[in-house]
Amino acid sequence: AQTVTQSQPEMSVQEAETVTLSCTYDTSENNYYLFWYKQPPSRQMILVIRQEAYKQQNATENRFSVNFQKAAKSFSLKISDSQLGDTAMYFCAFGGQGGSEKLVFGKGTKLTVNP
Amino acid sequence: KAGVTQTPRYLIKTRGQQVTLSCSPISGHRSVSWYQQTPGQGLQFLFEYFSETQRNKGNFPGRFSGRQFSNSRSEMNVSTLELGDSALYLCASSLDGQGMETQYFGPGTRLLVL
Repeated sequence: AQTVTQSQPEMSVQEAETVTLSCTYDTSENNYYLFWYKQPPSRQMILVIRQEAYKQQNATENRFSVNFQKAAKSFSLKISDSQLGDTAMYFCAFGGQGGSEKLVFGKGTKLTVNP
Repeated sequence: KAGVTQTPRYLIKTRGQQVTLSCSPISGHRSVSWYQQTPGQGLQFLFEYFSETQRNKGNFPGRFSGRQFSNSRSEMNVSTLELGDSALYLCASSLDGQGMETQYFGPGTRLLVL
């Protein structure tokens, strides 16, 4: 069974600075997808970024980028130029193949962006 | 397009009762998954439906059940409620359910069991 570990329960960063959230996972599968989701306080979960395991190039979405290290089973999220609106819970999630949409989530990292 | 909608948004029940939660996926999406979110256990997968069939099920007791209708709308039911069932229940939809698609989440139903 797949497991996802987020070792930083809480983090804080100053506005405009850069922060990196860590995620490691365990799987025996070779083809899979990884996701970072964001859940703002009392608001719904939204996708931040996704990475296909077969792609060597790290995914980027505007200020968000990942460092995907397949051999190390590591998938960290870097947020550049942090904004107050980035304050949220961030969840790392693993999606395996096999025709199922099941996601396995980490426990989350609570990120606070300070003015 | 409208996003994933869930009703009701908030619910208070007492132990022993049963509850039904509803989820309407994004128009055209055929796969619906349900998750339970609690402070202690985090986000846990309940089940996934595609074309009215349960395709995958998480490690939850039989008190938790669900179904999907021909229009892809889904319901989940929890019978004989326990205090530990208090949680945020999230529904997510994806387009074709072929695996590894982006899932879009609804706002959730917050259930409180007294």
